[in-house]
Amino acid sequence: DTEVTQTPKHLVMGMTNKKSLKCEQHMGHRAMYWYKQKAKKPPELMFVYSYEKLSINESVPSRFSPECPNSSLLNLHLHALQPEDSALYLCASSPTVAWADTQYFGPGTRLTVL
Amino acid sequence: QKEVEQNSGPLSVPEGAIASLNCTYSDRGSQSFFWYRQYSGKSPELIMSIYSNGDKEDGRFTAQLNKASQYVSLLIRDSQPSDSATYLCAVIRNQFYFGTGTSLTVIP
Repeated sequence: DTEVTQTPKHLVMGMTNKKSLKCEQHMGHRAMYWYKQKAKKPPELMFVYSYEKLSINESVPSRFSPECPNSSLLNLHLHALQPEDSALYLCASSPTVAWADTQYFGPGTRLTVL
Repeated sequence: QKEVEQNSGPLSVPEGAIASLNCTYSDRGSQSFFWYRQYSGKSPELIMSIYSNGDKEDGRFTAQLNKASQYVSLLIRDSQPSDSATYLCAVIRNQFYFGTGTSLTVIP
């Protein structure tokens, strides 16, 4: 089983709202990732957690705040987003430490910021 | 120079033909290579991984790796309309590098 789940599937929020995206995997994977993908572009890395510790933060604005409560869960907290933040947000996981192995993607959350 | 380069296409092939997708990478130290398929509005789905020179076959898909020439390709035999998607090449070299993707359309 290589399933990564993400909720919600769709999210519409205003620029003053606070919301959270959730990602879960029960494959025992030890690395988890957040990506942002705009239309007709490849996924763009935002954050990497390896063994529940933030290992990479690719200069993402502070209005995005990741959290890894345990090895199975990864959250992305959103606050004061801009319309240009509208995109498909993808969570992925890989079996071992970050960058050493295949990444499996969740279905994504389609975010629209009004 | 980009880490991973793909012809963005679009590539159109008739149903039943062989589709050939190519990818080149810049860092000779790259270790692992992947092909993902992404349907419009959906997330990337792993098709193939390849780690050593040569061919790797899985059903209608064959991945080919040539480290000396720094390219990896994906062949899709007996192409079906359901294969119409964007194909992303990805390479691991300290981190995951994606190509920009090749859009494939299989014409019935």
